[in-house]
Amino acid sequence: DGGITQSPKYLFRKEGQNVTLSCEQNLNHDAMYWYRQDPGQGLRLIYYSQIVNDFQKGDIAEGYSVSREKKESFPLTVTSAQKNPTAFYLCASSARSGGTNYGYTFGSGTRLTVV
Amino acid sequence: QQQVKQSPQSLIVQKGGISIINCAYENTAFDYFPWYQQFPGKGPALLIAIRPDVSEKKEGRFTISFNKSAKQFSLHIMDSQPGDSATYFCAASVSFQKLVFGTGTRLLVSP
Repeated sequence: DGGITQSPKYLFRKEGQNVTLSCEQNLNHDAMYWYRQDPGQGLRLIYYSQIVNDFQKGDIAEGYSVSREKKESFPLTVTSAQKNPTAFYLCASSARSGGTNYGYTFGSGTRLTVV
Repeated sequence: QQQVKQSPQSLIVQKGGISIINCAYENTAFDYFPWYQQFPGKGPALLIAIRPDVSEKKEGRFTISFNKSAKQFSLHIMDSQPGDSATYFCAASVSFQKLVFGTGTRLLVSP
């Protein structure tokens, strides 16, 4: 089955530590996105990539970094510069074009907690 | 101009009632308007979507109403069920580019 796989489902980070969240898709989608969701809040865009080896900052990119070396993979690193990283992180992908039911496919998310 | 404003923030509806969530936008270049449904601890899933060349789209109990002149669109859930309790996000985009999301509506359908 095609879809997006995020791992791990739960992640604990110590103060001052960098952690990397994995996102893999087998939908052959060109574009991929990372969102942050805080409790009871909406979706805030961290980074997005519309093509391999290219990515752009979203609304809250500070303290995060990404890479897009393969079409299928878009890992997100939460660096120690991100002072409040505890949140639910969602990865999504989309095709470049589509019909009426075009949209993002989201992964199941990674819940990151600072300990 | 890129924002999509969503209301209400939360909504309680009795079982069998109609749930209505509204969204408004400013960017007249938006040409695609999807709605997403998110259950706790899960990623959002595409529920239904509409293009501006139609005023209404219905899929089962879910209907999108679109008012191009008012720059508004809404989601109607008919015969609401407890299983519909979730957070709903509206969104908009220009030519299948990056989606702009609303802030979400938490719906609770009481038994």
